[in-house]
Parts: sequence; structure tokens; C-alpha cells
Amino acid sequence: GENVEQHPSTLSVQEGDSAVIKCTYSDSASNYFPWYKQELGKGPQLIIDIRSNVGEKKDQRIAVTLNKTAKHFSLHITETQPEDSAVYFCAASMDKLTFGTGTQLKVEL
Amino acid sequence: KAGVTQTPRYLIKTRGQQVTLSCSPISGHRSVSWYQQTPGQGLQFLFEYFSETQRNKGNFPGRFSGRQFSNSRSEMNVSTLELGDSALYLCASSLSGHGETQYFGPGTRLLVL
Repeated sequence: GENVEQHPSTLSVQEGDSAVIKCTYSDSASNYFPWYKQELGKGPQLIIDIRSNVGEKKDQRIAVTLNKTAKHFSLHITETQPEDSAVYFCAASMDKLTFGTGTQLKVEL
Repeated sequence: KAGVTQTPRYLIKTRGQQVTLSCSPISGHRSVSWYQQTPGQGLQFLFEYFSETQRNKGNFPGRFSGRQFSNSRSEMNVSTLELGDSALYLCASSLSGHGETQYFGPGTRLLVL
């Protein structure tokens, strides 16, 4: 089955800096790659997703890149703000979501 | 549009008991998936229901089961609870599953004593 690895497990940045989280997947048949943000006491919230026919997607301060050949995808957050502090999960899917282990992002003032 | 709702939000049970959790998907969504979230194992897929049929299943023992009703609402049941079943149980809905955006509910926090 699919296996998704996510790095780093924790990431601390200064407000205004950029943050990058990287994931690799194993199943070349996966064709959908969402990113979720989970705040304490809440369910995961979709922040951006990308499909295998697209190499890059951007939504304001958030961007995702996908390299199908290398089977890895990354989340980029620019101009980080304290409210970006949360746990971020990547996932890969063909028919069901397989999640990475999460990255605890802390944005410090 | 109302989001995914889950009831109850918190639950305390003892070993050996059984529990039923409920999930109401976003209106119009026909696919409901269930996930278990624990600090040690992360987010793990339990099963997916579409049009009242289980379409996909994760690697969990038969003590974990589910069903979906004609209005797309779903329930999951865990029988003979074990301490290791303590977790946040999340459900997510999508229009038809299979690579579509899944929207998560707030989860049910289950504590087994």
C-alpha cells in the first residue's frame, strides 16, 4: 500500500519568514495530494491540494509543488504569521487518503 | 452550508464495552470516510462508505465496523473496547470519494479506561 513520509516533524520560524514542509510517497498510482492544517481540538482543515497533472499551485501565501518523477511534494508558506502555528499533514490518494506523520509548525513573534 | 458534524464529541468507556459514533456529512456528499488519530500512529484510514456500501477498508480488526444510511449519515461501532482504542475518531465527507476533496468533522474523542 501507499506510504507517505513527512519532514520535518517540528519546525520553528520567525514571523514573516517562510516555512517549507516536504513529503514523499511510494505509490506512483497516487494522483491527489492534499495538505491539511489541524489546530488543537479541531479536525483537519484542507488548506490546498494538487493533482498529478499539475506541477505547482498557489493560493495567496500558500503554495504546493509536486514532482511526480521523484514522488515528492512540498508545502511552502510565505510571510508566516502566528495564526499559521498548527500541525500540518500531507496526504496522498488514489482511492483513500494516506497521511504523513505531521509537522508541528510554530511561528514565533 | 453546514459542515461535517460528529456526535458525541467526547466519550469515556471502559474496557470490554462497545461504542457507536455518528457522523453527518455535508449536504449532498455521498461518501463518508472514517479515520483514527493517535499520537503514536497518526491518522489512519478505517473505512469508506458510499451509497450505503463499504467501498474501502483499512487494516483494522473486525471489532471496528460501520454503516451508512440512505441519507448518507454514517455510524461506526467499536466492540469489545481495548485501552489502545483511545483516540480521536474523525469522519470526512466528499461528493463521491476517490480523489475528491474530503472535509473533516471535529472528531469524537474516545477515552477507554
